[in-house]
Amino acid sequence: QVQLVESGGGVVQPGGSLRLSCAASGFTFSSYAIHWVRQAPGKGLEWVTFIRYDGSDKYYADSVKGRFTISRDNSKNTVYLQMNSLRAEDTAVYYCAKDRGAFDIWGQGTMVTVSS
Amino acid sequence: DIQMTQSPSTLSASVGDRVTITCRASQSISSWLAWYQQKPGKAPKLLIYKASSLESGVPSRFSGSGSGTEFTLTISSLQPDDFATYYCQQYNTRWTFGQGTKVEIK
Repeated sequence: QVQLVESGGGVVQPGGSLRLSCAASGFTFSSYAIHWVRQAPGKGLEWVTFIRYDGSDKYYADSVKGRFTISRDNSKNTVYLQMNSLRAEDTAVYYCAKDRGAFDIWGQGTMVTVSS
Repeated sequence: DIQMTQSPSTLSASVGDRVTITCRASQSISSWLAWYQQKPGKAPKLLIYKASSLESGVPSRFSGSGSGTEFTLTISSLQPDDFATYYCQQYNTRWTFGQGTKVEIK
């Protein structure tokens, strides 16, 4: 079935790095843009970053610009989120989502905790 | 940046009630608005796209309306499964979510 599965979350110290993965199945991955959206504990949804279907365009929220990098490998049906210089305020569940205009398919999320 | 403001933040209602949630955009977004439902510990689920189009598989008691800067999500008869948090999202210019509306049991 159509699904996205995130992995790579964990506990990291402030200033550290982490790489998240989002593996897709059940649809033509190379035809769709993908987003990352995060949700801090007890808070609302925050859009983080976008990558076009072919990787030609990428956008970032101001809160992560210069620290996070999104990429994709269409041969592996996977999107990556490289997170550097992590801060306590980056602590959140990170979701990847498929773009059909609105976000029609979401992964289950992966938790990232930035703490010393 | 386009800001999205939902009201109310919390709503207490009973099964069978008609429920309306409002979402306002800081500038016109035409009809590029979506509504999502999120339950604790779960990913958001798309309910409505393009302001008023019902996503496949979503019960018809959910409906959306509006254009420009004012939008509403209506649940015609609240069911036990509908107690959740609801978010609006604009996708006219980049992407922005509202702060959420929690629908609680009265």
